[in-house]
Amino acid sequence: QKEVEQDPGPLSVPEGAIVSLNCTYSNSAFQYFMWYRQYSRKGPELLMYTYSSGNKEDGRFTAQVDKSSKYISLFIRDSQPSDSATYLCAMTDNQGGKLIFGQGTELSVKP
Amino acid sequence: DAGITQSPRYKITETGRQVTLMCHQTWSHSYMFWYRQDLGHGLRLIYYSAAADITDKGEVPDGYVVSRSKTENFPLTLESATRSQTSVYFCASSAGADTQYFGPGTRLTVL
Repeated sequence: QKEVEQDPGPLSVPEGAIVSLNCTYSNSAFQYFMWYRQYSRKGPELLMYTYSSGNKEDGRFTAQVDKSSKYISLFIRDSQPSDSATYLCAMTDNQGGKLIFGQGTELSVKP
Repeated sequence: DAGITQSPRYKITETGRQVTLMCHQTWSHSYMFWYRQDLGHGLRLIYYSAAADITDKGEVPDGYVVSRSKTENFPLTLESATRSQTSVYFCASSAGADTQYFGPGTRLTVL
């Protein structure tokens, strides 16, 4: 079993839809949780960063962490075609630098 | 320009040849990382470095060598390239134990 599980999709939604992306993990030591967005043939770019449990909102994006269930989510409101990308969750514990990534979910937002 | 750069962006080589991929960052970040990205596997850590002259293995280090004589550079060498090393390689850097910033990637094909 992988430390971080993420449904690879692909996920296709109409413009304006609410998108929910999720990851589960097995290591209870993870404290830092991130979502990266990767456009085709580009490097991943940091989208959201959350420490420990709770919610964080940034514009149309909301990240949620539920440590009791070992489950994290990324919600995208009013999705746009420009949101079409692969979304990767990533997480780490307190010890130096190493992120564990999910497999990535490919999202397509249709006009 | 400030940021993290990788060279070359594209490389085709033959089995058995030595190949070096370059990574340079201008932020003076302590941590640097090398990942490979393959369909079905997501991002997998090859090697990482916590500071100059300190390196450590990641998840898939076999067949790769790294060095870090200067903080800003972190080259990755394939000593004798194999077809299974055909992949997209990403370099990343981080100031601490969490957020990583990625380069644009090097697309390597081994014939």
